[in-house]
Amino acid sequence: QKEVEQNSGPLSVPEGAIASLNCTYSDRVSQSFFWYRQYSGKSPELIMSIYSNGDKEDGRFTAQLNKASQYVSLLIRDSQPSDSATYLCAVNIGYSTLTFGKGTMLLVSP
Amino acid sequence: GAGVSQSPSNKVTEKGKDVELRCDPISGHTALYWYRQSLGQGLEFLIYFQGNSAPDKSGLPSDRFSAERTGGSVSTLTIQRTQQEDSAVYLCASSLNSRRRGEDGYTFGSGTRLTVV
Repeated sequence: QKEVEQNSGPLSVPEGAIASLNCTYSDRVSQSFFWYRQYSGKSPELIMSIYSNGDKEDGRFTAQLNKASQYVSLLIRDSQPSDSATYLCAVNIGYSTLTFGKGTMLLVSP
Repeated sequence: GAGVSQSPSNKVTEKGKDVELRCDPISGHTALYWYRQSLGQGLEFLIYFQGNSAPDKSGLPSDRFSAERTGGSVSTLTIQRTQQEDSAVYLCASSLNSRRRGEDGYTFGSGTRLTVV
């Protein structure tokens, strides 16, 4: 049973558009949710964390959490070609170490 | 240090040889994690250290894998009798001490790319 699921993509958006990345998870007791960005050949970089239901905004990024639906998403406004990367969703399943999804590849075309 | 430091950055070894991978976490981070990432695959948890507590070894794929953390800081991941399926990028991460593990986001090192030939 997969615990953290993401669409592998690629998700293609034009420059300046909003990119919407989605993630579902299996465990209702999960409390901590993270989005990482991973450029090809590089290690994951933490870009957002969210712990409560609702939206959390940081610059062009907005994380959205709905615990009832076991759903977390990341919106990237005014997408830039430099945003092209794989985005990993991470969740602490059952108060354990973080479980990562396989990631969604985002391609932003100029 | 300013970030998580891993060495070597690349390692090519012959099948059957032992390898040691090193991780130096961020100063003040008491939690340390090892993950591996195979081509096209997600991050696979291997082992977790928190302070002086017994490590969580539940992710180690076989008894050929072991890890230690000396003085609550530097960690070494050892793979004995390497196999071709061990080829992957091995990532170390650290985080602040938390009441609940997984509560803080992790900071990853740049990884060690292991190739077993």
